[in-house]
Amino acid sequence: DAGVIQSPRHEVTEMGQEVTLRCKPISGHDYLFWYRQTMMRGLELLIYFNNNVPIDDSGMPEDRFSAKMPNASFSTLKIQPSEPRDSAVYFCASRGNPGQSSYNSPLHFGNGTRLTVT
Amino acid sequence: AQKITQTQPGMFVQEKEAVTLDCTYDTSDPSYGLFWYKQPSSGEMIFLIYQGSYDQQNATEGRYSLNFQKARKSANLVISASQLGDSAMYFCAMREGRGIQGAQKLVFGQGTRLTINP
Repeated sequence: DAGVIQSPRHEVTEMGQEVTLRCKPISGHDYLFWYRQTMMRGLELLIYFNNNVPIDDSGMPEDRFSAKMPNASFSTLKIQPSEPRDSAVYFCASRGNPGQSSYNSPLHFGNGTRLTVT
Repeated sequence: AQKITQTQPGMFVQEKEAVTLDCTYDTSDPSYGLFWYKQPSSGEMIFLIYQGSYDQQNATEGRYSLNFQKARKSANLVISASQLGDSAMYFCAMREGRGIQGAQKLVFGQGTRLTINP
């Protein structure tokens, strides 16, 4: 059973460039989350979706960040333009199965994308 | 205000000893859930154990157990018979039951780095 798949694993880009991070959740999961991890701020929730609909994007730092989920098996997090302070590990996670209560079920994380903006 | 507090930035333990990682939380909601995750040096986030606020008994999963003290708002992770492979960062996280949608957000503590010495 494949887990959450993120790509790329590593991304190095120059300031001002557009960056797109990709995520494929576990099949059948109806919640998808994007987190960012830095030494200074720890794990921060950026946005999450339920059945492909964005529910809470209050953690998105600014307008340079956008996320989409065009279908149940794919999501993107885009940064345009990127800045050095965006350097972090970005995690995608999914949870739940339709027809079952996902209330107590844990998040399943991908391996993360390490983003470096120079 | 910090929702999840992990007061031990780092811990060093001898192999085969038991270790307790502290976690205190802050919520006024009677319905909440507490999770522990392990993050080894390879970076992935691994779910370990879950405790619900209404659960009567402390959660256990193999060598992991959760010392849940509701009145003190603490949910300490206990690892019995520690192994070298237990060396990792450990994160405590909470979701609050503010309605079905609000309950999906997981808030993480800053983590504790555990090192097991041979």
